[in-house]
Amino acid sequence: NAGVTQTPKFQVLKTGQSMTLQCAQDMNHEYMSWYRQDPGMGLRLIHYSVGAGITDQGEVPNGYNVSRSTTEDFPLRLLSAAPSQTSVYFCASSYRGAQVEQYFGPGTRLTVT
Amino acid sequence: KNQVEQSPQSLIILEGKNCTLQCNYTVSPFSNLRWYKQDTGRGPVSLTIMTFSENTKSNGRYTATLDADTKQSSLHITASQLSDSASYICVVSAIGKTSYDKVIFGPGTSLSVIP
Repeated sequence: NAGVTQTPKFQVLKTGQSMTLQCAQDMNHEYMSWYRQDPGMGLRLIHYSVGAGITDQGEVPNGYNVSRSTTEDFPLRLLSAAPSQTSVYFCASSYRGAQVEQYFGPGTRLTVT
Repeated sequence: KNQVEQSPQSLIILEGKNCTLQCNYTVSPFSNLRWYKQDTGRGPVSLTIMTFSENTKSNGRYTATLDADTKQSSLHITASQLSDSASYICVVSAIGKTSYDKVIFGPGTSLSVIP
């Protein structure tokens, strides 16, 4: 039982490049989400999904896209990277959203130059 | 405005000593409060959750308290160990329209336990 996995662990992008952060969970959770963590700030919700085929925006969705074709996978796409997207990104899953215990992945540290 | 504040921002203590971390919130209407532990380079892991009717909850050497009247919570760590070195995040949930609505993460307290 791997829990929540994320790839890559580290990534450096140039401004304007695009990429996809991968997230997978093997706990059969319907709810999955993406957060970004910046120094001195709490985790902020980017996008979330309440089930396959259903996604919605969180607090800071601009510049990011998501899709949910399967229960297990929830990739996050950066369309055109900007230095302001330099951050640590966490994927999380749970059986009922953020109001209950969420299980977080190990994170992806992204630097945009 | 829904907010969660934590203090101190960082803390250094000697191994074996006790410490208390604070969380103040303005989130309403209150649903629950959770403490997460985040080791360096890892994702947060839940330590404990408290609802409105609970004053104290323990998880091993970790004891959380909640005062819903003053909107304050504390996390007390007893007989600290080197493995307690981490960031401790307070998360407060309000009753919202969706399962992700009104869930506010605090900025965390960075704890360093030194030998």
